[in-house]
Amino acid sequence: GAGVSQSPSNKVTEKGKDVELRCDPISGHTALYWYRQSLGQGLEFLIYFQGNSAPDKSGLPSDRFSAERTGGSVSTLTIQRTQQEDSAVYLCASSTATSVTYEQYFGPGTRLTVT
Amino acid sequence: EDKVVQSPLSLVVHEGDTVTLNCSYEVTNFRSLLWYKQEKKAPTFLFMLTSSGIEKKSGRLSSILDKKELSSILNITATQTGDSAIYLCARGSGNTGKLIFGQGTTLQVKP
Repeated sequence: GAGVSQSPSNKVTEKGKDVELRCDPISGHTALYWYRQSLGQGLEFLIYFQGNSAPDKSGLPSDRFSAERTGGSVSTLTIQRTQQEDSAVYLCASSTATSVTYEQYFGPGTRLTVT
Repeated sequence: EDKVVQSPLSLVVHEGDTVTLNCSYEVTNFRSLLWYKQEKKAPTFLFMLTSSGIEKKSGRLSSILDKKELSSILNITATQTGDSAIYLCARGSGNTGKLIFGQGTTLQVKP
């Protein structure tokens, strides 16, 4: 079946502009996660959603970052007033439940470059 | 502090060699340890180890969880060039879905 999809695959933006990154999880997966991977680094947790519960935003690096998940499916990660240090690959993942005993399936990521 | 440390950070071997990748973690609220393989883009799931399942094997890959030493190893036997990738280790803790990742091990398998 279809996996996790993300768009755009690449995004180049000027410093100070806002960007929106989209994630479409696997159908039926109730949990959705956003991670960030800077060059040569591991994945850094940003935020996760589970059903109608309040999201865990503990990994968001600043108030310029926000995310929403509409209708329990598609999610959008928004970065306002982008900075050069925001340049990274943003990865989305989904799983059947929020417990860490369920594996997370990743999308191909969006490579964000802030010039 | 939740922390996952992988070693080595990079490794170059020749086809047919056996490699062992290491991952160590903090004990607080440990629930699971996962291994992923990342080639060009999306990390792909390899194994998940929990208190009730401390050893997993799939083909040439195997993984063991050592709860006493707070570590895990990923073994790859008879390596092939297609095994070249970044191998990521992650731990889950508590009742959240958050995974804490290590910095990854970059494996290059030469012909």
